[in-house]
Amino acid sequence: DGGITQSPKYLFRKEGQNVTLSCEQNLNHDAMYWYRQDPGQGLRLIYYSQIVNDFQKGDIAEGYSVSREKKESFPLTVTSAQKNPTAFYLCASRGKGINQPQHFGDGTRLSIL
Amino acid sequence: GQQVMQIPQYQHVQEGEDFTTYCNSSTTLSNIQWYKQRPGGHPVFLIQLVKSGEVKKQKRLTFQFGEAKKNSSLHITATQTTDVGTYFCAGPDSGGSNYKLTFGKGTLLTVNP
Repeated sequence: DGGITQSPKYLFRKEGQNVTLSCEQNLNHDAMYWYRQDPGQGLRLIYYSQIVNDFQKGDIAEGYSVSREKKESFPLTVTSAQKNPTAFYLCASRGKGINQPQHFGDGTRLSIL
Repeated sequence: GQQVMQIPQYQHVQEGEDFTTYCNSSTTLSNIQWYKQRPGGHPVFLIQLVKSGEVKKQKRLTFQFGEAKKNSSLHITATQTTDVGTYFCAGPDSGGSNYKLTFGKGTLLTVNP
């Protein structure tokens, strides 16, 4: 969706290195999300944030960290504690109101060097 | 925890054949959403169903929500090569958070021209 920008599109991580994936949205959405996608595994929730300065762990938060200092930004750090980081990472946002759909960015593909 | 299952995992059809994917939740859902992800792309919201027994159509796509609001289906009539992609269903988290969605693992549709 045009309102969510993820960067970079491709990222390579060396062993023991932390890397940060960027997600910016101009949709004025309160809620933002990070998902991890592996082949045949669907979308698994890493972290989500309903409002600035607040975030909650999803189903697979170990080895990841996030911050939400601004409404439009929700960066994800993949730490060296994440032993299998190779995956496709998707950021999404959602507007207020019940039953609103999620809007996704184009994703970042992370690989191990 | 809440589970959302989709079958089949893969479906290959000849162009012009019909296609159906089924979604089943372990809990009653307040609504169900469907998304489509083209190969190499990101999930895009298709539709949301809210009412028990609801049926909605989008051109050749027909979406149904079960009477018990625990299952749903997506039917495509006379598939075209543009229908290729992975179709996901998603329902709100049964833990009460209106912001969290649980996604099924998706059905990958391939179409032979």
